[in-house]
Amino acid sequence: QVQLEESGGGVVQPGRSLKLSCAASRLTFSRPPTHWVRQAPGKGLEWVASILYDGSNQYYADSVQGRFIISRDNSKNRLYLEMNSLIRDDTAQYYCATQGEGGSLDLWGQGTLVTVSS
Amino acid sequence: SYVLTQPPSVSVAPGQTARTTCEGTNIGSKSVHWYQQKPGQAPVLVIYNDDDRPSGIPERFSGSNSGNTASLTINRVEAGDEADYYCQVWDTGSAYRVFGGGTKLTVL
Repeated sequence: QVQLEESGGGVVQPGRSLKLSCAASRLTFSRPPTHWVRQAPGKGLEWVASILYDGSNQYYADSVQGRFIISRDNSKNRLYLEMNSLIRDDTAQYYCATQGEGGSLDLWGQGTLVTVSS
Repeated sequence: SYVLTQPPSVSVAPGQTARTTCEGTNIGSKSVHWYQQKPGQAPVLVIYNDDDRPSGIPERFSGSNSGNTASLTINRVEAGDEADYYCQVWDTGSAYRVFGGGTKLTVL
């Protein structure tokens, strides 16, 4: 069974930083996770960031540009999201996902919850 | 930035056909993907590239896309289809992935 597993979520104060990690099972080595998507409580899905497999290019939603950094370690088959200068609006369930055909996101982890609160 | 608009809710009786839409400027020129999300669960891809189904998705699920509107159709709706459904495109001009606001499907 192909699986993605996020970790690193928790409660953090506004202005602080947090780093999320996404681990892929061995079966996803050929299809690594490359996207982060978040969902605020009771709200819809919001794409956050993407990175090419070789790490050469990163793309960010306007809402996180300049504050979040997406990276990957292919030797560990891990995807990361470093979140800086966190604000309350960053409170959400964060999912990592693999890219499928046509730019779809065809495999998702179960998510990790980030709560920004003082 | 590119905007996708979905109706907030759709209701249908079991056994009937549910159809929900996703509107965007010239969306027919883009590949549209649809996700199903049940409460407390991660999203699941149910349609990709307008009208293709991933393995394991029932044939009852289908999609179409033309002009400014894409659609997801679920035939012979079952109670287990009750969920939120999101459309998504890849705005290649900006490299962004864009989601619609989601439609809550209620099975009466």
